[in-house]
This record gives sequence, structure tokens and C-alpha cells, in this order.
Amino acid sequence: KAGVTQTPRYLIKTRGQQVTLSCSPISGHRSVSWYQQTPGQGLQFLFEYFSETQRNKGNFPGRFSGRQFSNSRSEMNVSTLELGDSALYLCASSPTTRDNYNSPLHFGNGTRLTVT
Amino acid sequence: QKEVEQDPGPLSVPEGAIVSLNCTYSNSAFQYFMWYRQYSRKGPELLMYTYSSGNKEDGRFTAQVDKSSKYISLFIRDSQPSDSATYLCAMSGQTGANNLFFGTGTRLTVIP
Repeated sequence: KAGVTQTPRYLIKTRGQQVTLSCSPISGHRSVSWYQQTPGQGLQFLFEYFSETQRNKGNFPGRFSGRQFSNSRSEMNVSTLELGDSALYLCASSPTTRDNYNSPLHFGNGTRLTVT
Repeated sequence: QKEVEQDPGPLSVPEGAIVSLNCTYSNSAFQYFMWYRQYSRKGPELLMYTYSSGNKEDGRFTAQVDKSSKYISLFIRDSQPSDSATYLCAMSGQTGANNLFFGTGTRLTVIP
């Protein structure tokens, strides 16, 4: 079974621009979560989508948004980029169901975003 | 104070050694505990997934959870150079289990 696929692997953007990252979950997984990883803060939860609905949200500003499509693929958007947004953005999928949140996450290899 | 504390290391051990990695946490609502391994330029890979207190063994890896002390451990027996990576503990509560709280990671090097 193919793992979680994230595209692109690397991105370089300028302050003020916006960016869209893409994630394809493991086949059959309906939950997709996004995390930001930085050397200073480690991994921090951004949000989770299940069946095209945002089910949970972390403590990030509204510049960070996401969506999920009917095939469970997900995109994450960051608008008005700041230097501090430079990070590894990780997508994870899980086989969780609507009533059972508790299944392990399987991560992709991430998109490395550099903001200059 | 962070909800999950993990010694960042780095930790260097000779091949064949037993490695002990630890995390402490402050939120008593955490019930699901995980260990991930992350190689350079890769995403975290799930190693162990446990619920509540107790031990779980998988090959050379043993995970221990002590909820009374708010302390979790990962033991690696007969460590190999291929175990060289950053090890991340993660945990979550009963709801929102996809909202994981991670430790900062311990960088491990196993020297041949």
C-alpha cells in the first residue's frame, strides 16, 4: 500500500506570498491531519479533516487554512507568508472513523517551505 | 511549561547497547502514547502505539507507560547503526486523538 504522499517536497517563497501544499493519504484513510515542524517548537498540530470537514484545529492564525476533497486528498494554504512560516509541513493520515478518533497517524515526508 | 518534555540529547551509544529514551508529561488526560522515529529528511515513522499504562514489546523495542508518574519510556535492545535517528514521543487524550502533543525529540547515534 502506498504511503502518504506530499507535494512538492521543497518550496521557496517570498514574504507576503501565499502557498498551497498538497497531501494524498493512504488509500482508505479518511482522516488527514497537518503539522508544522520547526527546530525551536518541534511538531505542532495545525488541523485535522475528516470527510471534507475540519474536525479539530490547533492554535495557529487564520492565515493557515486547509480543505479536504471527496477523495480524501487534502490541501493546506498559507497566505501572507512570514519568515517564521519557514518549516517542514507534515501531513498524516489515519484510519480513524467518525466515532473512533483513536487510531495512529502515518506521516508523509513533508514539504520543506522556505520563506525569504 | 511544555505539556510534553523530552531530553533532546544528543545520545551516542556503541552498537549492541541498550538504549533508554524517556518523556514526561503534565496533562493527566493523555491516554494514548506513541513513539515515532524520524530519519533526516523524512517524516516521522510510527514505532509503538500504546493505550493507558503498561508495557508493549515489538521485536527489539519495548514501550512502557506509567500514568501515575506521567512518564513514558522506549527501550531499544541490541541497538544497530540503522537505529540512528531522532526519536519523538507523542501523546493524546480521549478526544481529538489526531491532535498529538509531541516531545521535541531525542537524537540518537549508534556507533559501529
